[in-house]
Amino acid sequence: AQSVAQPEDQVNVAEGNPLTVKCTYSVSGNPYLFWYVQYPNRGLQFLLKYITGDNLVKGSYGFEAEFNKSQTSFHLKKPSALVSDSALYFCAVSPTSGTYKYIFGTGTRLKVLA
Amino acid sequence: GAVVSQHPSRVICKSGTSVKIECRSLDFQATTMFWYRQFPKQSLMLMATSNEGSKATYEQGVEKDKFLINHASLTLSTLTVTSAHPEDSSFYICSAWGGAPYNEQFFGPGTRLTVL
Repeated sequence: AQSVAQPEDQVNVAEGNPLTVKCTYSVSGNPYLFWYVQYPNRGLQFLLKYITGDNLVKGSYGFEAEFNKSQTSFHLKKPSALVSDSALYFCAVSPTSGTYKYIFGTGTRLKVLA
Repeated sequence: GAVVSQHPSRVICKSGTSVKIECRSLDFQATTMFWYRQFPKQSLMLMATSNEGSKATYEQGVEKDKFLINHASLTLSTLTVTSAHPEDSSFYICSAWGGAPYNEQFFGPGTRLTVL
C-alpha cells in the first residue's frame, strides 16, 4: 500500500537553530512531493513542491526541502527557525497516476522555543 | 498561486439539520475538487473526489447519503452534511486541482462545523 510517514509527532527547536522535519514515502513511480503548513483553525498553506529537476527545492518563508530518491525521503529544512514557524506541518505525495489525489503524512507539530 | 475560498468559515447548527458548505476556485477552473475532514490534532482524511458534471467518488467508509457532494460548475463544489449529528462536528477543508502548469491542489481555508 502507498503511504507517507512523518516519524516525529513533534519537533522542538530553539529559535535561531536549524530545523528539520522528516518525511519518507512509499509510492511507486515518480510522485510529486509537497509540504504544507497549517496554523490553528486555518487551511493548508503551500510551502514548496518537487516535481522534477534539482533535488533541492526552495520554497516560501525560507524553507527548503531535499528530495532523495534512493532513500525515498523529502525532508523539510530551514537554516534558522523563528518562533512564528511554530505550526503543524504536513508532507503530501501525489502519485503520478492521474487521480490527482494526495496521500498525507500524519503531520508534525513544530515548536520553536524563544 | 491560485485561490480557493470556502463559505462559511464556521457554522453552528442543531442536531438533525442540514448544512451546506461551498468551495470555490476564484481565478481558475477546476474539473476536480476534493473534500477532506480533519479531526483535532490529526491529519486530513480524504472524504471524496468531486468531478464537474459527474457523481463524486467517495472514499471507503464515507457515507454518500450523509455527505452529499455536488460539482455543478467548473468553479463551485458543495458539500451538504445531511441530518447532522454532534459526531459530524469537525473541520472540513476543500481543495481544487489546478491542472497544468500548477500540477498541485490548492486548499481552501476550511470550515469549522459544530453540531449541537
